[in-house]
Amino acid sequence: DSGVTQTPKHLITATGQRVTLRCSPRSGDLSVYWYQQSLDQGLQFLIQYYNGEERAKGNILERFSAQQFPDLHSELNLSSLELGDSALYFCASSVVGGGYQETQYFGPGTRLLVL
Amino acid sequence: ILNVEQSPQSLHVQEGDSTNFTCSFPSSNFYALHWYRWETAKSPEALFVMTLNGDEKKKGRISATLNTKEGYSYLYIKGSQPEDSATYLCAFGDKIIFGKGTRLHILP
Repeated sequence: DSGVTQTPKHLITATGQRVTLRCSPRSGDLSVYWYQQSLDQGLQFLIQYYNGEERAKGNILERFSAQQFPDLHSELNLSSLELGDSALYFCASSVVGGGYQETQYFGPGTRLLVL
Repeated sequence: ILNVEQSPQSLHVQEGDSTNFTCSFPSSNFYALHWYRWETAKSPEALFVMTLNGDEKKKGRISATLNTKEGYSYLYIKGSQPEDSATYLCAFGDKIIFGKGTRLHILP
């Protein structure tokens, strides 16, 4: 158990809908990263937040957004969902996030199925 | 577009044998290289973060080396055990580009 929690574990929704995935980092970690694991693309970095501020952006679609709250939990919002958004979404955290040089601890993931 | 290649894609190793596999990355503007171990139905587990050319890191029977000038890192597993069966991923740079992984199967 890495200490990173993600909810929900599974989510089934329809095309066009909007969902919110939630992540709580390890106690004391200031940085949160979001990743997408899809069958055809492998594991892809989406976005990083550090202490409430966006720190780095990867291959995140405009339909997706994220934020990190004062208590350091983070939410990933996916809107206008398409079939291709079906994937496993991971959150990871690290202590500071100066960062790619730091160990990241992954949560268990949220499996999203868009029908 | 940065390219991170891992080879081989898949590997079958007899229990007790040692093995190694490769992660290749662009040799310019190196920042950091991460190795992860990913077991089926679990989440990726960090093994090493490598930052300096010539770095060698070790964790039990697993070790890794880094050559930033030529753009590769090796992961070694000594005396493979069934619990080593997993996919090993490397991730490169500040954009955290992942390779597609090496899937390791340990044969009893």
